[in-house]
Amino acid sequence: AQTVTQSQPEMSVQEAETVTLSCTYDTSESDYYLFWYKQPPSRQMILVIRQEAYKQQNATENRFSVNFQKAAKSFSLKISDSQLGDAAMYFCATSGGATNKLIFGTGTLLAVQP
Amino acid sequence: DTGVSQDPRHKITKRGQNVTFRCDPISEHNRLYWYRQTLGQGPEFLTYFQNEAQLEKSRLLSDRFSAERPKGSFSTLEIQRTEQGDSAMYLCATEPLGGQRTDTQYFGPGTRLTVL
Repeated sequence: AQTVTQSQPEMSVQEAETVTLSCTYDTSESDYYLFWYKQPPSRQMILVIRQEAYKQQNATENRFSVNFQKAAKSFSLKISDSQLGDAAMYFCATSGGATNKLIFGTGTLLAVQP
Repeated sequence: DTGVSQDPRHKITKRGQNVTFRCDPISEHNRLYWYRQTLGQGPEFLTYFQNEAQLEKSRLLSDRFSAERPKGSFSTLEIQRTEQGDSAMYLCATEPLGGQRTDTQYFGPGTRLTVL
């Protein structure tokens, strides 16, 4: 079974500052992926960043980067130079197995203060 | 690439009525997933299609729910005899398989269902 835990229901960051969102997971899959999705108030889910579990190097996408600690089953998201448009609900998710279905955490609501 | 589309975007219905939602995938995306998202929660997996074959159904999918994907293109999700507990956002996501495999799902805008 796969589970994803996001222990921060809400976070706040000042514009231009850096914020880190936490995520831990558990999976029995040997080959899996980890994702951060963003869901703005319009509610369309958008992929932020993904990490292949077999890769040791942490993924980066512009201002977004992850800290992937496989042994600890931890997958945190760092947002640098936060912008007002980053305000959204952020979901951590894992996939794997034959169907590659996603298992989501409960989300972290990020507010960006001007 | 026009993205995943879903129709309708909003549906209000009375308890006991049947509703049907449609999802149009990104062209050539073989994998199609339905998820349900209730307020304040992350999406939960409902069912998975690979082309026209429905290969997995969650225990969340009671016998009042049925999904199809004829010809491996668009998919429909039908809920019969709706209950107030069915009120949620229903999300569709698709993913390529084979040569274009990305192991990344792309989501549609969702259909928000309100059961009165």
